[in-house]
Amino acid sequence: EVQLLESGGGLVQPGGSLRLSCAASGFTFSSYAMSWVRQAPGKGLEWVSVISGSGGSTYYADSVKGRFTISRDNSKNTLYLQMNSLRAEDTAVYYCAKKMGIAVAGTGDYWGQGTLVTVSS
Amino acid sequence: EIVLTQSPDFQSVTPKEKVTITCRASQSIGSSLHWYQQKPDQSPKLLIKYASQSFSGVPSRFSGSGSGTDFTLTINSLEAEDAATYYCHQSSSLPYTFGQGTKLEIK
Repeated sequence: EVQLLESGGGLVQPGGSLRLSCAASGFTFSSYAMSWVRQAPGKGLEWVSVISGSGGSTYYADSVKGRFTISRDNSKNTLYLQMNSLRAEDTAVYYCAKKMGIAVAGTGDYWGQGTLVTVSS
Repeated sequence: EIVLTQSPDFQSVTPKEKVTITCRASQSIGSSLHWYQQKPDQSPKLLIKYASQSFSGVPSRFSGSGSGTDFTLTINSLEAEDAATYYCHQSSSLPYTFGQGTKLEIK
């Protein structure tokens, strides 16, 4: 059974940093690309970033480019999102999602339960 | 960036009714269009991948169609448990994008 468990969310001040983790199990982690999607309170879904199975390819939404870094440790079956220079508009539930193949194309077939990030002074 | 526009934004429907939600892309995306269902306080669940392929375990009353710029999600014989917000999502061109969502209320 595919399981994705996000952690690392919390309250942070504007300009601060936070690192989210997503622990994966139930599948061969290195064989699948992974992505992050966020949802501001009461709003719709926003795609944030994607990384290939090898970690060699990464892409970002313009809204986070230069501030967020996606990475993965295939030996630990864990996906990360390093978030720097956080802004109030980054407040959201952050979901990790398993993609359907090793490349970044395609969609996410399984999602975690999400972790809430609140940026506020 | 490809913009996905869903219609309607909200729909109130009765059980056993047939529901159609549309998603229009600002440029052609082939069949790289996927549909998700999100119930309150839950993470999104994949219903349809690549416009018309049902995801494993999804009830047969959910179906998808379309290609290019116009896509449709159809729910036949709506059930009370289908109350949710539905999102379309394109993976044709980075940055990937989502529609704004369609909220279904069951009367």
